Amino acid sequence: AQSVTQLDSQVPVFEEAPVELRCNYSSSVSVYLFWYVQYPNQGLQLLLKYLSGSTLVESINGFEAEFNKSQTSFHLRKPSVHISDTAEYFCAVSEEAAGNKLTFGGGTRVLVKP
Amino acid sequence: DAGVTQSPTHLIKTRGQQVTLRCSPISGHKSVSWYQQVLGQGPQFIFQYYEKEERGRGNFPDRFSARQFPNYSSELNVNALLLGDSALYLCASSLQGAYYEQYFGPGTRLTVT
Repeated sequence: AQSVTQLDSQVPVFEEAPVELRCNYSSSVSVYLFWYVQYPNQGLQLLLKYLSGSTLVESINGFEAEFNKSQTSFHLRKPSVHISDTAEYFCAVSEEAAGNKLTFGGGTRVLVKP
Repeated sequence: DAGVTQSPTHLIKTRGQQVTLRCSPISGHKSVSWYQQVLGQGPQFIFQYYEKEERGRGNFPDRFSARQFPNYSSELNVNALLLGDSALYLCASSLQGAYYEQYFGPGTRLTVT
């Protein structure tokens, strides 16, 4: 069965500093990988996804994530954060045989301080 | 285009009662999934429906049930509510297949007292 572990439950970071959110997954088959962001009192929004091809994927707002198959990881990074990046971030995986089922990690709360 | 809509936004129920939550998918999406997000945790998969048929079920008791209508909207029903059912219930719609992005609604906040 697939599982997702986000190693940090909270990450405080100063504005304009870099941030890395760690995500490791466990699965016996090929997976698709996603990062979702959840702002307070809102639903989830897709930040970026890895389906195949280049192991480095980027979002339009400066985030990037790298798929590492040997380490079963999909860490999220941003070189310089803004106050508006304060949110909760969820890593998720899906498997072809499991249809549209997403398995989520426990989330990492990012608090950007001025 | 409208996104995924859910109703109601908030709901307060008493233990033992029953609740029905509703979801309307994005136009053209035939797959609807339901997730439960307990405070401080990641969402947990409850059900997926595609073309009005159940395609996946998570590890939830039989008190949880769902259905999908011909217009692809969906309802989630929870019977005999427990305090532990208090959570944000998220609906997501997508095209069918693990490859596709799921679009989430704003959720229904259920409080059981």
